Amino acid sequence: DAGVTQSPTHLIKTRGQHVTLRCSPISGHKSVSWYQQVLGQGPQFIFQYYEKEERGRGNFPDRFSARQFPNYSSELNVNALLLGDSALYLCASAVSPEDEAFFGQGTRLTVV
Amino acid sequence: GIQVEQSPPDLILQEGANSTLRCNFSDSVNNLQWFHQNPWGQLINLFYIPSGTKQNGRLSATTVATERYSLLYISSSQTTDSGVYFCAVVTNDYKLSFGAGTTVTVRA
Repeated sequence: DAGVTQSPTHLIKTRGQHVTLRCSPISGHKSVSWYQQVLGQGPQFIFQYYEKEERGRGNFPDRFSARQFPNYSSELNVNALLLGDSALYLCASAVSPEDEAFFGQGTRLTVV
Repeated sequence: GIQVEQSPPDLILQEGANSTLRCNFSDSVNNLQWFHQNPWGQLINLFYIPSGTKQNGRLSATTVATERYSLLYISSSQTTDSGVYFCAVVTNDYKLSFGAGTTVTVRA
């Protein structure tokens, strides 16, 4: 079975631009969460979606938004990119929010 | 929010050595996971262990939820065990809260 897949794997953007990151969960998983990991730190929670509804939001500005589609895939959008948004963005899927989470390979975003 | 502390922050081992990584957390948790992050950034699931003890090959983990800690044991370490090990806990809001990680370097 395919694991969690994220696209793209690497991305370079300019300050002020917009970016969309995509995540396809493991088949049968209905919960998708997004995390940001900056160098040298543990991942920080951004959003959680379950059954296409937002179930949780971390301490991130409104420039960050996300959604989950009927097929349970998800997008993370970041507007007005700042240099500080440079990070590894990780997507995790689970059968439901309280179950074991599995992560994708991540999208490495560089803002220049 | 819940605090998750991992120790030690860095660990250097000779191949074949055994080690113990610790994760302390500040509040009751619903679940706990251990991950190994490879050099390419992917988080690999090691254990899903809200309580009790589990073993998988040379790795084992124990969580004592009532005392708010978990331990990850690596036996007969190999160079492929190098990387960052993260503990993450799940509370009532069902999000994963991660520790800062333990960086393990295994030397041949």
